[in-house]
Amino acid sequence: NAGVTQTPKFQVLKTGQSMTLQCAQDMNHEYMSWYRQDPGMGLRLIHYSVGAGITDQGEVPNGYNVSRSTTEDFPLRLLSAAPSQTSVYFCASRSGKAGAGETQYFGPGTRLLVL
Amino acid sequence: GNSVTQMEGPVTLSEEAFLTINCTYTATGYPSLFWYVQYPGEGLQLLLKATKADDKGSNKGFEATYRKETTSFHLEKGSVQVSDSAVYFCALSPRGNTGKLIFGQGTTLQVKP
Repeated sequence: NAGVTQTPKFQVLKTGQSMTLQCAQDMNHEYMSWYRQDPGMGLRLIHYSVGAGITDQGEVPNGYNVSRSTTEDFPLRLLSAAPSQTSVYFCASRSGKAGAGETQYFGPGTRLLVL
Repeated sequence: GNSVTQMEGPVTLSEEAFLTINCTYTATGYPSLFWYVQYPGEGLQLLLKATKADDKGSNKGFEATYRKETTSFHLEKGSVQVSDSAVYFCALSPRGNTGKLIFGQGTTLQVKP
């Protein structure tokens, strides 16, 4: 199992550019989430999904879009990047089955710099 | 609402010292509680967890007890090593199987030889 994978590892964007951060998991997990990590603020939830075709907003959703067409993939889209979106982005997944536990598994992160 | 507060860092200790990182939470109902660790340049890994009051989570010499009366989940280790240097995050998962995690701001631990 590769677990949770994220691409790219590092990206530099100019203000106004768009891009998609990719996230995939091979554990057949129902739940997937995107977080951003900023100094002194821990991780904050951007969007999450409890299954294919179902997404919802987290704490800081503005400026980001998501979709979940398959169980495995959960891409995060920045339609018009802003310097405030400079951050490290983590994707996570966990099983939604009863009794499976609540452990979330994190990807290695994508470091994004918006100039 | 749900929130997690951790002690501010950085925490600097000598090898073999005793470690405590405080964590308190606010939540509706009884959440599950977690400690995650992030080593330099890596993603987050689950360190330990507790799902109900008075449960003690433990792993790699680290322990934390779910205290409902004080809404706390303090992380402890009796003798730290240089390899424990990392950022430690306390987190809660609200009841209701939502898949969400609410994180504290993280505490950086540096252990010197």
